[in-house]
Amino acid sequence: EVQLLESGGGLVQPGGSLRLSCAASGFTFTNYAMSWVRQAPGKGLEWVSLISVSGDRTYYADSVKGRFTISRDTSKNTLYLQMSSLRADDTAIYYCAKTMATIYFDSWGQGTLVTVSS
Amino acid sequence: EIVLTQSPGTLSLSPGERATLSCRASQSVSSSMYLAWYQQKPGQAPRLLISGASSRASGIPDRFSGSGSGTDFSLTINRVEPEDFAVYYCQAYGASRWTFGQGTKVEIK
Repeated sequence: EVQLLESGGGLVQPGGSLRLSCAASGFTFTNYAMSWVRQAPGKGLEWVSLISVSGDRTYYADSVKGRFTISRDTSKNTLYLQMSSLRADDTAIYYCAKTMATIYFDSWGQGTLVTVSS
Repeated sequence: EIVLTQSPGTLSLSPGERATLSCRASQSVSSSMYLAWYQQKPGQAPRLLISGASSRASGIPDRFSGSGSGTDFSLTINRVEPEDFAVYYCQAYGASRWTFGQGTKVEIK
C-alpha cells in the first residue's frame, strides 16, 4: 500500500523559511516523479512543484519560483520542499503526491498545514 | 499555461440522479492522456478518479466515467450515491505545467 506522510508544517512569520518532508513507502520511490500540491483554506488545488524520477529536473509554479526548492533523497525515500521568503498567500495545506508518468497525481498524502502570519 | 474552467460551480442533486460535470480548457490539451479528474471530500486529501480522460483509477466504481478531447472534457456520475457528494477537480498537463480547474461541488439537493 502506498503511503505518503508529510511533516514539517507549522506557523512561520512572513519572510521566514520552512522545510517540508514527505516520507514515502509502499512503492519503488526511485521509479516515480514526485510533486507538491497546495490548497489554501477554503480554496482549490494549486500545483506547486515537481521533481523528475532521477531528480535532475525540477519544475515550479510561477507563484513560488525562486523561493521554493524541491528535492529528493532516494536513500531515505523522502521528498522535500524548502520554502523561503514565505508570504501570507503561501498559507495552505501542502500535499505530497506520487506522480504517474509525470502527468497526473495517483496517490496523495494527508497534507501538512503551513500558516504564514505575524 | 492551460487554464481549466469547470462548470457548474455547484451541482445540487438527489441520490440516484445523474451528474454531468464539465471541464473546458483555454487551449487544446495536446493528448487526452493529459487530463485527469479527482474527488475531494471535506477534511480529506484528493483522490484520483480518472486518468487519460476516460480510464478509471484502481478501485473506482464504474458509475464514474470520463470523456472528451481537445478543449472539452466531462465527468459523469451515473446514479449518484450518498458517498459521491464531494468536490471534483479536473487537472491537465501541458508545457511542463500542471493545472487544476477551480472545482465543482456536488451537493445533496
